[in-house]
Amino acid sequence: GQNIDQPTEMTATEGAIVQINCTYQTSGFNGLFWYQQHAGEAPTFLSYNVLDGLEEKGRFSSFLSRSKGYSYLLLKELQMKDSASYLCAAPHSSASKIIFGSGTRLSIRP
Amino acid sequence: DVKVTQSSRYLVKRTGEKVFLECVQDMDHENMFWYRQDPGLGLRLIYFSYDVKMKEKGDIPEGYSVSREKKERFSLILESASTNQTSMYLCASSPPGTNYEQYFGPGTRLTVT
Repeated sequence: GQNIDQPTEMTATEGAIVQINCTYQTSGFNGLFWYQQHAGEAPTFLSYNVLDGLEEKGRFSSFLSRSKGYSYLLLKELQMKDSASYLCAAPHSSASKIIFGSGTRLSIRP
Repeated sequence: DVKVTQSSRYLVKRTGEKVFLECVQDMDHENMFWYRQDPGLGLRLIYFSYDVKMKEKGDIPEGYSVSREKKERFSLILESASTNQTSMYLCASSPPGTNYEQYFGPGTRLTVT
């Protein structure tokens, strides 16, 4: 089966760095997505990793280790507007759909 | 810019009513999806469609049906609304396959009383 796990909540301080972890179990691998969702809004795409390693996009970076079934999203120079839920997602191994984790709600304090 | 629109942001219906949620995308995407999102449960897939008139059950299809008569439009139907269908409903679209990002609509918050 498929399973995606990520912490439910995290808190961090403005200006700091935070790492949000995600572990996944899939019978076949076809990449891993990260989405951001502000309260009351729709999810928006952040990143997609299909190869091992770190991919950087400005303040946000995403890391993947396929052998460990592990990914993380790294947010640097945190801003108050980064307070949101962060969803880890992986394509289903045998169907044209994506499985989402329950999301990590990140709160930024001044 | 990809645009996915949903017919209503907020909807209040009574138990037993038939409810239609409409979703339209303007990027000629083959794939369209309906999710519901509840606190602590994350995004759960109700139905998806990879082509006109094609549909596949997701993880929680019970109590729902869908219609895709045109490529740009994907409708979610609650045949007889119940209080446990009170939720946020999100529509999404993407190009074919699973290695493309999904574009989400703004969501419809449905309350069934």
